[in-house]
Amino acid sequence: AQSVTQLGSHVSVSEGALVLLRCNYSSSVPPYLFWYVQYPNQGLQLLLKYTSAATLVKGINGFEAEFKKSETSFHLTKPSAHMSDAAEYFCAVSNGGSYIPTFGRGTSLIVHP
Amino acid sequence: DAGVIQSPRHEVTEMGQEVTLRCKPISGHDYLFWYRQTMMRGLELLIYFNNNVPIDDSGMPEDRFSAKMPNASFSTLKIQPSEPRDSAVYFCASSLGLGTDTQYFGPGTRLTVL
Repeated sequence: AQSVTQLGSHVSVSEGALVLLRCNYSSSVPPYLFWYVQYPNQGLQLLLKYTSAATLVKGINGFEAEFKKSETSFHLTKPSAHMSDAAEYFCAVSNGGSYIPTFGRGTSLIVHP
Repeated sequence: DAGVIQSPRHEVTEMGQEVTLRCKPISGHDYLFWYRQTMMRGLELLIYFNNNVPIDDSGMPEDRFSAKMPNASFSTLKIQPSEPRDSAVYFCASSLGLGTDTQYFGPGTRLTVL
């Protein structure tokens, strides 16, 4: 079985501040993990993914995430928020090659000027 | 590539009417997914296809919903009859495979049933 929990349906930061979006997963086997972003009135697009190589994964737009097996976490961070980062962010987990990803409920990132 | 294409982008209909949503996946992708997104339930997988064959439709809410994929470049999601609770954004996505493969989402169809 696989599942993902995103802590906090909304996160609010000031422009220039650190962004931290939390994701914890449950998986019976070593997981594959994803972060997708959804801008207003658009579909989801991939930010980054972990596929069992390096535990620190760098994605587009300055985002990165670290896979921590001991904490079953895959939190998304960005050192300095920009107004254009305001969007909905989804964490997803897949148990392996024959599994479709399971998506979390999403976290809405609000960036204040 | 143009990405995943969905039509229409917006659909407003009255309760009881038939609604057909359309999707053109990225060429060469073997998997096609239909999702529904609402504030209450988040992103729900309705059904997915592999090489045009429906694999898992356990997420289809009820018999009023049906999906087809007559060829590798076209899929439809039909609701008949539609109800106000079907109002949502419906996404189509495609991917090369499962596991680590990225899903590419279309822009979605915003359905409003009055």
